[in-house]
Amino acid sequence: ETGVTQTPRHLVMGMTNKKSLKCEQHLGHNAMYWYKQSAKKPLELMFVYNFKEQTENNSVPSRFSPECPNSSHLFLHLHTLQPEDSALYLCASSGGQGIHEQYFGPGTRLTVT
Amino acid sequence: RKEVEQDPGPFNVPEGATVAFNCTYSNSASQSFFWYRQDCRKEPKLLMSVYSSGNEDGRFTAQLNRASQYISLLIRDSKLSDSATYLCVVNSGGSNYKLTFGKGTLLTVNP
Repeated sequence: ETGVTQTPRHLVMGMTNKKSLKCEQHLGHNAMYWYKQSAKKPLELMFVYNFKEQTENNSVPSRFSPECPNSSHLFLHLHTLQPEDSALYLCASSGGQGIHEQYFGPGTRLTVT
Repeated sequence: RKEVEQDPGPFNVPEGATVAFNCTYSNSASQSFFWYRQDCRKEPKLLMSVYSSGNEDGRFTAQLNRASQYISLLIRDSKLSDSATYLCVVNSGGSNYKLTFGKGTLLTVNP
């Protein structure tokens, strides 16, 4: 299934590095999301973009910086992360305009050393 | 009370068994409800939306009780391939985009 793709699939970075996660959706959706999934915890919503505008920032630390250049692409820029930021980062998209089911990409498994 | 609370599990059942998962939610303004499944080290995948009248998709039946703020998922004639974590998902009242996920219930179907 290639509806929502994410790169890279795995990332190891040091606390002083800067890296970016990329998400692309091929479903014609207009809303895109970043989630964090840590071990033993439920998925946590980080950011929501609707028609390229950020509509939710769920009290995410500024070391995570999202960017949405268009409705099909979403980035998450990472800098000076902490080891506790190690997690699976999932991108999702939905049709927007009312409540629609969200479809997820395969995720980026991030390890911060 | 947690926003979305599920049976902690895990559930271990033999092939062919019927298994039911329960979920409660705290926000009475929530309007959309879903069940997702997540295989180990994979992304969540939508299993089914849950409608007020209840709905069925093959071996899967979802029920919603708004008065009790309760959602259920019934799996009949379980298969080995049903082994996964089942996530109860509810939209946060007032937001069309904010979904709250339960911690999930792990199901293992044994041969």
